[in-house]
Amino acid sequence: AQSVTQLDSQVPVFEEAPVELRCNYSSSVSVYLFWYVQYPNQGLQLLLKYLSGSTLVKGINGFEAEFNKSQTSFHLRKPSVHISDTAEYFCAVSVLGGSQGNLIFGKGTKLSVKP
Amino acid sequence: DSGVTQTPKHLITATGQRVTLRCSPRSGDLSVYWYQQSLDQGLQFLIQYYNGEERAKGNILERFSAQQFPDLHSELNLSSLELGDSALYFCASSADARWDSPLHFGNGTRLTVT
Repeated sequence: AQSVTQLDSQVPVFEEAPVELRCNYSSSVSVYLFWYVQYPNQGLQLLLKYLSGSTLVKGINGFEAEFNKSQTSFHLRKPSVHISDTAEYFCAVSVLGGSQGNLIFGKGTKLSVKP
Repeated sequence: DSGVTQTPKHLITATGQRVTLRCSPRSGDLSVYWYQQSLDQGLQFLIQYYNGEERAKGNILERFSAQQFPDLHSELNLSSLELGDSALYFCASSADARWDSPLHFGNGTRLTVT
């Protein structure tokens, strides 16, 4: 079975500072990897995804993530955060060959950007 | 605005009751997905429909059922409700079932069971 661990439930950071949100996954088969963002009172929005190819994936709003197969990690990074990045971030995996909507989510990381 | 509409936004009901949540996908999208977000379980995939047919099943309880109608809107029926069913229920849609088709999420229906 697959599982996703987001190591930090909350990450406070000052505006314009860099941030890394950590995600580790466990799977005995190949997976697709995703990061979603949830703003208050809204649904999820896809930030980026890794399906294959280059291990460095660039997404929307200046975010990027690096797939590391040996460490089974898919950490999300942004070099300089804005107040508007305050939201909850979810890492998710899906099994290769399965339904793309059959996502297994981590528990989420609440990013709080302070002025 | 994702283009996915969920109604109602909020629902308060009592244990043992039955409710129906409705989802209208983005115009032209054939796939609909349902998710449950609760404090205990986090975000969980429930079920997927594609063009009216069930495509994939996740952690959906037997007390829950869903369907997708010919006009492609979908309904999630929750019966014999328990306190633990209190959660935010999301619907998402995609153009088809291909892996490179992005998911578009609605803003959810918040269900409170008292």
